[in-house]
Amino acid sequence: DIRMTQSPSTLSASVGDRVTITCRASQSISSWLAWYQQKPGKAPKFMIYKASILESGVPSRFSGSGSGTEFTLTISSLQPDDFATYYCLQYNSYPRTFGQGTKVEIK
Amino acid sequence: QVQLVQSGAEVKKPGSSVKVSCKASGGTFSSYPIIWVRQAPGQGLEWMGEITPIFNRVNYGQKFLGRITITADESTSTAYMELSSLRSEDTGVFYCARDRGYCSGGNCYAYWGQGTLVTVSS
Repeated sequence: DIRMTQSPSTLSASVGDRVTITCRASQSISSWLAWYQQKPGKAPKFMIYKASILESGVPSRFSGSGSGTEFTLTISSLQPDDFATYYCLQYNSYPRTFGQGTKVEIK
Repeated sequence: QVQLVQSGAEVKKPGSSVKVSCKASGGTFSSYPIIWVRQAPGQGLEWMGEITPIFNRVNYGQKFLGRITITADESTSTAYMELSSLRSEDTGVFYCARDRGYCSGGNCYAYWGQGTLVTVSS
């Protein structure tokens, strides 16, 4: 199985901050990576696919980059609605695997 | 717009089985993969398995092999996930999600059900 490792596990930031979350794959997954946002008690929300393509309706302050084994999710200017947990998901091969999550909390 | 509606919360005894349903409305049911994801209390997302109804093709996570069965009924646009030999560690929220298609050659699991809480307790 491909192991996905996110860092950091928790990130404390203020509104307006630029934040970056990293996701590393244990082997190359090309660009077959998605990012999800989840808020407490809610289903995950699909944000980014193929490493860098923003899903329709997702604010442009979100961006993704990377290929191979290293990927990043960047929020250019953190907004109050962005405090949540973020997960990466590789869909290069089966079984699909999620990262363990990064919680973005208010500083 | 595609909507996925899951069955209601369940309380199960250790050693029993649970079958969760996921009914889709809107879009074409058979053509797109549906995945199942577990989330234990306070924990992360865990991919359990996937079915593509039109091909009846199924893939399962290693952790669940031997205990999980994912099926789909095209006549009712409903996917099912059955987990057997339940233990307390299986307690959590189970989600279904569907690929929306037209995803640059890959999968976009963009549509999610509301989640089903399964509690395993004696």
